[in-house]
Amino acid sequence: GAVVSQHPSRVICKSGTSVKIECRSLDFQATTMFWYRQFPKQSLMLMATSNEGSKATYEQGVEKDKFLINHASLTLSTLTVTSAHPEDSSFYICSADTGTIYEQYFGPGTRLTVT
Amino acid sequence: ELKVEQNPLFLSMQEEKNYTIYCNYSTTSDRLYWYRQDPGKSLESLFVLLSNGAVKQEGRLMASLDTKARLSTLHITAAVHDLSATYFCAVGTGNQFYFGTGTSLTVIP
Repeated sequence: GAVVSQHPSRVICKSGTSVKIECRSLDFQATTMFWYRQFPKQSLMLMATSNEGSKATYEQGVEKDKFLINHASLTLSTLTVTSAHPEDSSFYICSADTGTIYEQYFGPGTRLTVT
Repeated sequence: ELKVEQNPLFLSMQEEKNYTIYCNYSTTSDRLYWYRQDPGKSLESLFVLLSNGAVKQEGRLMASLDTKARLSTLHITAAVHDLSATYFCAVGTGNQFYFGTGTSLTVIP
């Protein structure tokens, strides 16, 4: 089956620093990757959609200068949280599709804590 | 704005009982997904429903889709403790998914 990995699984950083999260499709090429954020006991909120080689499309209310997304290859997308603050602490989940709109494969998530 | 609502938000049920979780959505779509999430974990795909009237069953869970009513249900039969988790529905539109509010299920002995 299609496997998506994320790295790191957990990260703690100090306020004002930047942190990068990687999302990889391990056994397939992902035309599109998606980034979600989930606060405790809440649902997943779509942050942005990224296509390989083009700029990401951000959802309303998501700051593109704060959440930098790079989708440099068909197997790798990165999310960089710049100048992180405690309110950015959350569970970040990526997903990828295989070119069909009927399924997305979700990564295991990254727990970000900003102190 | 697409809205996806689930009810109930919290569900505590006894083992061996039956219950239904409802997922209502506000826009036309013929793709509806159900996921399970355990604490601290990512999503596990349960069902993919791609047409009006679709019904799928796996073990004690059964999902259905009524696209005309914009409603999907997840029915739990004879609940067991292992089913305790949070369940999300998601609506597919274009190549994007929009998630419901989630239902936290606790099965008690």
